[in-house]
Amino acid sequence: DGGITQSPKYLFRKEGQNVTLSCEQNLNHDAMYWYRQDPGQGLRLIYYSQIVNDFQKGDIAEGYSVSREKKESFPLTVTSAQKNPTAFYLCASRGDEYEQYFGPGTRLTVT
Amino acid sequence: GEDVEQSLFLSVREGDSSVINCTYTDSSSTYLYWYKQEPGAGLQLLTYIFSNMDMKQDQRLTVLLNKKDKHLSLRIADTQTGDSAIYFCAERGWNNDMRFGAGTRLTVKP
Repeated sequence: DGGITQSPKYLFRKEGQNVTLSCEQNLNHDAMYWYRQDPGQGLRLIYYSQIVNDFQKGDIAEGYSVSREKKESFPLTVTSAQKNPTAFYLCASRGDEYEQYFGPGTRLTVT
Repeated sequence: GEDVEQSLFLSVREGDSSVINCTYTDSSSTYLYWYKQEPGAGLQLLTYIFSNMDMKQDQRLTVLLNKKDKHLSLRIADTQTGDSAIYFCAERGWNNDMRFGAGTRLTVKP
């Protein structure tokens, strides 16, 4: 089945630790995106990548880092510099068509 | 603040129609979307409309677009309890950036 997978579904970390969220797609899409979702707010764009080995900051990139070494993979690292990391993180990809396809999300809790 | 605005809550009775409204600000938006999010899940595309269209109907869903007022609406006919979810309006700009509203939580009462 084609789609986007994110793992794990739930992630718990202690404050001060970096954590990496996984996003994989087998849709052969060039573009991939990371969003953060907080209650009562829309999705906010963290980083996006239009092509392998290239990525751009979104609206709220501070405290996050990404890499795009393979077309299929776009991992997001939440660093200790991110002041409020607890959130629901959504990965998406887009091919040539009109739609962004979303993964199931990872809920990160930092205590 | 958000570029795309939606009311946060809507409650309807099962069998009634639901109308979820959205306003956007980018007149150059090419596509406008409605996504559905069930609890703890990702977003699922429900329907979309191209900016040169006024209306699109897809089974129980009707999308209306008023470009002059930058107003988009989603009507769900014969709303069912399974329609309870958060509905996001989104616009896609000329540079393919997507902007999402805060989401409208639809509650369907039996």
